[in-house]
Amino acid sequence: GEDVEQSLFLSVREGDSSVINCTYTDSSSTYLYWYKQEPGAGLQLLTYIFSNMDMKQDQRLTVLLNKKDKHLSLRIADTQTGDSAIYFCAEIPLRRGKLIFGQGTELSVKP
Amino acid sequence: DAMVIQNPRYQVTQFGKPVTLSCSQTLNHNVMYWYQQKSSQAPKLLFHYYDKDFNNEADTPDNFQSRRPNTSFCFLDIRSPGLGDAAMYLCATSRRDSTSNQPQHFGDGTRLSIL
Repeated sequence: GEDVEQSLFLSVREGDSSVINCTYTDSSSTYLYWYKQEPGAGLQLLTYIFSNMDMKQDQRLTVLLNKKDKHLSLRIADTQTGDSAIYFCAEIPLRRGKLIFGQGTELSVKP
Repeated sequence: DAMVIQNPRYQVTQFGKPVTLSCSQTLNHNVMYWYQQKSSQAPKLLFHYYDKDFNNEADTPDNFQSRRPNTSFCFLDIRSPGLGDAAMYLCATSRRDSTSNQPQHFGDGTRLSIL
């Protein structure tokens, strides 16, 4: 299978929580990353988590890391229409030495 | 306070006519990357400079070249653009040393169209 996998689409209502999931195969990465890409723009580093942690919270964002299952998730609380974007999960496996991206999850927030 | 700046945001060129995209950074990062991103896909790494050392990805076509005249600037040259080279080109930077590889920071990209 692919190194990093994500579901392609997620639709939520404004004010609800969004949870974007990601699975990865190589556990050698020091950090795992979430990037946000708005239409026509570059990638914005949203947050990242050290591989020895299992949770990181930053305002409306919560990252959960389950190393045993190689599962990473991004929870956005009180989702707003401005959160509509594509979210990429990524890691840098030591043997690859470069960012490996998931396919990206398109988050659609409906008013 | 943009930190990774790409110019221009939109570039149109003719089939086969050389084109250069530019990237500058104010972060003083020692690594600079060029990615190609096509619609509905993840970015694909073309090459990167670690300080002055150029590192090409194995599957990057020879048509793509890069120059890094100093720490702050990096250029992507496409010698003979084909229709398949129409894409968003993203520049990124990071700080890397012997003990760590910090997160990459991206510019807003240059969207290249081929006529």
